[in-house]
Amino acid sequence: EPEVTQTPSHQVTQMGQEVILRCVPISNHLYFYWYRQILGQKVEFLVSFYNNEISEKSEIFDDQFSVERPDGSNFTLKIRSTKLEDSAMYFCASKEGPNSNQPQHFGDGTRLSIL
Amino acid sequence: AQSVTQLDSQVPVFEEAPVELRCNYSSSVSVYLFWYVQYPNQGLQLLLKYLSGSTLVKGINGFEAEFNKSQTSFHLRKPSVHISDTAEYFCAVSEASDDKVIFGPGTSLSVIP
Repeated sequence: EPEVTQTPSHQVTQMGQEVILRCVPISNHLYFYWYRQILGQKVEFLVSFYNNEISEKSEIFDDQFSVERPDGSNFTLKIRSTKLEDSAMYFCASKEGPNSNQPQHFGDGTRLSIL
Repeated sequence: AQSVTQLDSQVPVFEEAPVELRCNYSSSVSVYLFWYVQYPNQGLQLLLKYLSGSTLVKGINGFEAEFNKSQTSFHLRKPSVHISDTAEYFCAVSEASDDKVIFGPGTSLSVIP
């Protein structure tokens, strides 16, 4: 079964540094998402992306965050200047079409640790 | 605004016993409901979903859930749990008019041998 893959599985970064989290969505999927899960808390929506544009973003997704689909397969989340509170598990998700009744398929996540 | 409540943060249960993980949601419009499972150090895997039709939904690994509109609930059940069911379980909701998925806080299921 096709999977959403995320790299790296664990990223350790110094506070203030830029970090890029990478995702390869399922190949025929057109809608892409990032979520995060701070340790011990619930999974929170960050941003949705379609047709090379952000469709929706949460209040968490401030100017420090950006997303990009640099080529036909990758979908990246960039945090420009990381803060301690950015430490979390970041999940990428994708789905095939626009209907909200279609489930999103999630990757295994990238654990981001900010020192 | 939609929200999801999972009243039980931790549920310990003996192997081969039945289990029910509770989920309630609030929304003013039609919703789609999901249960995701997160095994230790892994990502989120879809267990089952309710979109429409029959209120009893069967998923993978022997799990099922029942949608109750009047009680705004979507409780997850399994008649006999296995050690391998030990994981974090997330109830989630998506509105027909919105795309993002809203997750509950999760319930940690621990199966005791």
